[in-house]
Amino acid sequence: AQSVTQLDSQVPVFEEAPVELRCNYSSSVSVYLFWYVQYPNQGLQLLLKYLSGSTLVKGINGFEAEFNKSQTSFHLRKPSVHISDTAEYFCAVSEGSGGSNYKLTFGKGTLLTVNP
Amino acid sequence: DTEVTQTPKHLVMGMTNKKSLKCEQHMGHRAMYWYKQKAKKPPELMFVYSYEKLSINESVPSRFSPECPNSSLLNLHLHALQPEDSALYLCASTERGRVGEQFFGPGTRLTVL
Repeated sequence: AQSVTQLDSQVPVFEEAPVELRCNYSSSVSVYLFWYVQYPNQGLQLLLKYLSGSTLVKGINGFEAEFNKSQTSFHLRKPSVHISDTAEYFCAVSEGSGGSNYKLTFGKGTLLTVNP
Repeated sequence: DTEVTQTPKHLVMGMTNKKSLKCEQHMGHRAMYWYKQKAKKPPELMFVYSYEKLSINESVPSRFSPECPNSSLLNLHLHALQPEDSALYLCASTERGRVGEQFFGPGTRLTVL
């Protein structure tokens, strides 16, 4: 079975500072990894995805993440955050993509709060 | 059109009421999902439809009844709900074979009195 652990439930940072949101996963098979963002009172939006290939993936809004198979991690980073990045961030994993019975497993979320 | 729409945005209902939530997408996606999200928690999967057929039911109580009348529409019929069912209900869709790349609607905020 697959699982996702987001190590920090809350991360406060100052505007223009760098940020890293940590995510570790466990799975017995190859996985596909994702980061979603949820702004207040909205649905989730896909930030970026790792399916295969280069371990450094770039997403929207200046975010990037690095897949590390040996450490089973997929940490999210941004070199300089804005107030508008304040949101809940969810790491997610899927063990497959080819059939209708595959599910997305979410971590518990990390609340990123950017302060002026 | 890369949007998933949900109606209504807010819904307040009593425990004896019957109501329905509606979700619509016009991206040609053939997999559609219902999630329930409590405050400060991740979304919990409830149902998955693939090609208009129910493929996953996560042991959801029968007071929640999903329906997929066509490839663009997904409904969630509600009956005899409990106060603990109050939550944000999210709909999502994806191309078949891309389970991780889901497009989410803004959700319906449900309050059960």
